[in-house]
Amino acid sequence: NAGVTQTPKFQVLKTGQSMTLQCAQDMNHEYMSWYRQDPGMGLRLIHYSVGAGITDQGEVPNGYNVSRSTTEDFPLRLLSAAPSQTSVYFCASSYGRGGQGSYNEQFFGPGTRLTVL
Amino acid sequence: AQSVAQPEDQVNVAEGNPLTVKCTYSVSGNPYLFWYVQYPNRGLQFLLKYITGDNLVKGSYGFEAEFNKSQTSFHLKKPSALVSDSALYFCAVRESGNNRKLIWGLGTSLAVNP
Repeated sequence: NAGVTQTPKFQVLKTGQSMTLQCAQDMNHEYMSWYRQDPGMGLRLIHYSVGAGITDQGEVPNGYNVSRSTTEDFPLRLLSAAPSQTSVYFCASSYGRGGQGSYNEQFFGPGTRLTVL
Repeated sequence: AQSVAQPEDQVNVAEGNPLTVKCTYSVSGNPYLFWYVQYPNRGLQFLLKYITGDNLVKGSYGFEAEFNKSQTSFHLKKPSALVSDSALYFCAVRESGNNRKLIWGLGTSLAVNP
């Protein structure tokens, strides 16, 4: 199993550009989530999904969109990048139907380091 | 609202000595508590979790954590620290019920000195 994969590893954007951060898992996990990690701020939940077709907002959803058309993929879209979105982004997945995934071990991807100029 | 606090930004310990990384939490129902470790330039890795049962939970790499309901704490411990344990440690909490989110502490940087 590849586990949780994220692409790209690094990205530099200009203010106002849009892009999609890709996340895929091959463990048939229902629960997937996106976090951003900033110095001194810990991990903050952006969006999460409890299964294909179901997404919900986390703590810091503004400026980001998600969709979940398949169990495997959970892309994160930045609509119009801003310097405040400079961060390291982590995707995570866990097993468990519905909201049960957040009771279980989260498997994290290697992260995407995004810089917005 | 649920919350979790890691009161120490950094912990320094000598190799071979016991280590403790502190975590306290606040939830309205029964807590589900987790510890994760992050090595430099890597994603987080699961160490252990408490759901119910014994207050002492054993996890990966020789780590254990003690759940204390009266003090609302879930401190991470290891009897003998290794230099390779140097990393960033995160505590997280999920409360029982319909709230389907994990809330994370800010992390504690552990430095084990040879």
